[in-house]
Amino acid sequence: DAGITQSPRHKVTETGTPVTLRCHQTENHRYMYWYRQDPGHGLRLIHYSYGVKDTDKGEVSDGYSVSRSKTEDFLLTLESATSSQTSVYFCAIRTETANTEAFFGQGTRLTVV
Amino acid sequence: EDQVTQSPEALRLQEGESSSLNCSYTVSGLRGLFWYRQDPGKGPEFLFTLYSAGEEKEKERLKATLTKKESFLHITAPKPEDSATYLCAVQPVYNFNKFYFGSGTKLNVKP
Repeated sequence: DAGITQSPRHKVTETGTPVTLRCHQTENHRYMYWYRQDPGHGLRLIHYSYGVKDTDKGEVSDGYSVSRSKTEDFLLTLESATSSQTSVYFCAIRTETANTEAFFGQGTRLTVV
Repeated sequence: EDQVTQSPEALRLQEGESSSLNCSYTVSGLRGLFWYRQDPGKGPEFLFTLYSAGEEKEKERLKATLTKKESFLHITAPKPEDSATYLCAVQPVYNFNKFYFGSGTKLNVKP
């Protein structure tokens, strides 16, 4: 599992409330990612980080913000959750070897009611 | 526009019945093409990386191949435990942080 822990694993929240999802890694990887997975859309990149305090947007970043104050933690925040943000969220890391594949966490199922 | 299309969306096989899954892609310079397996309620599990046309990788009953426009995941004599959703992704040379995923093929192998 590449030492990735996501929390919480499941969450139900109300529309308009802020929500923060946490991704914790134990192997000191520089690159970390947040994806969402929805039926018919596959995995889509929300934000990624290439170091402490270094982040960039992915293809579906509207309504999301991220923070990385420590190498091991990458936080995804929904400032004001909407029903369209109901999804399964995956955190991933990428190694810096010649092989550049990504490894994923177990996911967080978020339901916005 | 970089994109990945996987077919079929779903595939039902009898145990031992070999078949192939397709991943067609368009990308502005391919750095790598990745295959993942995803079981229900779990994160994608890395299977293979392919970097250049003609390359092949094998793992147990799975074999991945790559051309300039598509990749195939061949499953030889599948078993029920091979049932899962198989995802394909491409990574462009212009940004190693951008992985573009297909919607996956859901494989069901019946005993």
